[in-house]
Amino acid sequence: EVQLVESGGGLVQPGRSLRLSCAASGFTSDDYAMHWVRQAPGKGLEWVSGISWNSGSIAYADSVKGRFTISRDNAKNSLYLQMNSLRAEDTALYYCAKDISAWTQAFDIWGQGTMVTVSS
Amino acid sequence: QSVLTQPPSASGTPGQRVTISCSGSSSNIGSNTVNWYQHLPGTAPKLLIYSNNHRPSGVPDRFSGSKSGTSASLAISGLQSEDEADYYCAAWDDSLNGWVFGGGTKLTVL
Repeated sequence: EVQLVESGGGLVQPGRSLRLSCAASGFTSDDYAMHWVRQAPGKGLEWVSGISWNSGSIAYADSVKGRFTISRDNAKNSLYLQMNSLRAEDTALYYCAKDISAWTQAFDIWGQGTMVTVSS
Repeated sequence: QSVLTQPPSASGTPGQRVTISCSGSSSNIGSNTVNWYQHLPGTAPKLLIYSNNHRPSGVPDRFSGSKSGTSASLAISGLQSEDEADYYCAAWDDSLNGWVFGGGTKLTVL
């Protein structure tokens, strides 16, 4: 079964850091780009960051640029998101998503998400 | 305020055809293809349409997409109660160097 499982979410104080992980199974993740997409409570979907199959291309939303870092370990079929200097507005359900191509075209497999709450 | 503009809500009765619009600009829809996602609260979003009008395997042909200039639309024919969900359009934005989503359209089946 093709599956993405996110972990690492939780409650964190403003200004602190958190690292999200996404474990892929049922497919060879190193053939495809991977992304993080978030949804704040009561809001719509917002793309956060994407990384190509070989980590050669990486992009970030302006809202997280300079604070978040995306990475992947193809040997472990895993995707990561290091989140630093967290703000209240980063509170959201974070989804890991697989692209249909090696860089970026569309997101065809999504995880169930991991919740990040930034609050004092 | 989302970069892509969608109506916040749409509705229809079972069997009807509904369309959802998505308006952008030359840096996103005008120069790149559009994808559509279906999202039921509490579940993972689902890819419905990619590259303007292509359906992934398993998506019924009741769903179709089109694009013209800087706008796109999703059409759902033979509306069913299970189609009640939030629908999002998305496109790569060359100016922002990233993906942008519409604000989402909540579809209600009356």
